[in-house]
Amino acid sequence: DQQVKQNSPSLSVQEGRISILNCDYTNSMFDYFLWYKKYPAEGPTFLISISSIKDKNEDGRFTVFLNKSAKHLSLHIVPSQPGDSAVYFCAATARYDSGAGSYQLTFGKGTKLSVIP
Amino acid sequence: DAGVIQSPRHEVTEMGQEVTLRCKPISGHDYLFWYRQTMMRGLELLIYFNNNVPIDDSGMPEDRFSAKMPNASFSTLKIQPSEPRDSAVYFCASAGGIRKPQHFGDGTRLSIL
Repeated sequence: DQQVKQNSPSLSVQEGRISILNCDYTNSMFDYFLWYKKYPAEGPTFLISISSIKDKNEDGRFTVFLNKSAKHLSLHIVPSQPGDSAVYFCAATARYDSGAGSYQLTFGKGTKLSVIP
Repeated sequence: DAGVIQSPRHEVTEMGQEVTLRCKPISGHDYLFWYRQTMMRGLELLIYFNNNVPIDDSGMPEDRFSAKMPNASFSTLKIQPSEPRDSAVYFCASAGGIRKPQHFGDGTRLSIL
């Protein structure tokens, strides 16, 4: 059973516009969320994270929003650039001492973003 | 700073052969993770180490898979004997703390014929 879901396998956006990537989770024990970006033939690269005590975290063009009641988070990229074209993975983890098991990052299956010049 | 270094980048071998994947974590990181990525299952954690000690190997698919970390700067993931269904991209990652972001290597693309 997928605990972290990225329901859109792909997304195309015009350069300069906003990209919104979505992620849903089912495990209520998750309290720390991360976004990774992956280019072909490379490993995932950490992008931005958010703790469950916040509902928004911003880093330059990237903003992550967390809606705990809906168990939903989203990554906004504004403005989108062609270099942002990559696969974006959402990941989540529970507190180490939560009894939910050892520390693990659970990943979604990714959304492929294409930014069209 | 050098990132996580994995070798080889590509491995093609025949079914039944032993395969060894290698990883050098970022210096100073005390957590090391091995992942497998497939189209069907996405990125899955196989095992992770803290201070060279295996902490959770519940993701290791079966006894054919084994992982070691003899020191803080080196880890191996071994498959013996290998099977075609082991074909995947294997990633190693390291982190400087249990809740710190993980830094990934560029992976080993493994093909078992």
